[in-house]
Amino acid sequence: DQQVKQNSPSLSVQEGRISILNCDYTNSMFDYFLWYKKYPAEGPTFLISISSIKDKNEDGRFTVFLNKSAKHLSLHIVPSQPGDSAVYFCAASKNYGQNFVFGPGTRLSVLP
Amino acid sequence: DAGITQSPRYKITETGRQVTLMCHQTWSHSYMFWYRQDLGHGLRLIYYSAAADITDKGEVPDGYVVSRSKTENFPLTLESATRSQTSVYFCASSEWDRRNNEQFFGPGTRLTVL
Repeated sequence: DQQVKQNSPSLSVQEGRISILNCDYTNSMFDYFLWYKKYPAEGPTFLISISSIKDKNEDGRFTVFLNKSAKHLSLHIVPSQPGDSAVYFCAASKNYGQNFVFGPGTRLSVLP
Repeated sequence: DAGITQSPRYKITETGRQVTLMCHQTWSHSYMFWYRQDLGHGLRLIYYSAAADITDKGEVPDGYVVSRSKTENFPLTLESATRSQTSVYFCASSEWDRRNNEQFFGPGTRLTVL
């Protein structure tokens, strides 16, 4: 059973609008979360992180929200740009460790 | 080149053959990882290493062997390749830090087992 779920395999958004990517987890021991972006034929690249002591973290156009009671996090991209078109992975770890569990990914398409 | 590299980038092999995928990083990061990416599963951890000569199993270790005699290298060996091991393999490295657990990924190796 998947411990980290991204229930939307794909998402299309108009350029300039907000993109919201969702991630749910089942293990309440997870306390550190990362988002990665992946372009075709490349390795994933780190985007933003959040620890369980926070409920929000911002970095430029990217904001991650964490709702521990719902075991849910979301990545907001505002405004969305065509270069944001990629697959986004959510990942979680326990005890701030290095052993991350990844979700299956959501493919974001930003339409010009 | 600085960073993390993988070789080969593409490999086709036959069932039962031994295959070794190479990973090299120039940052002297303590941690190194091997993942496989399959549709519907995202990235799944095969093995990881916290330091030279220290390795541990991840989520899907069966059929794979790793070693880490030097900090900068972390080869992954499929001792007898099977078709179910057809996948894209990613190597990653990181330096443990409670404030930042970012892993840096290589470009991947696409392996096809016929």
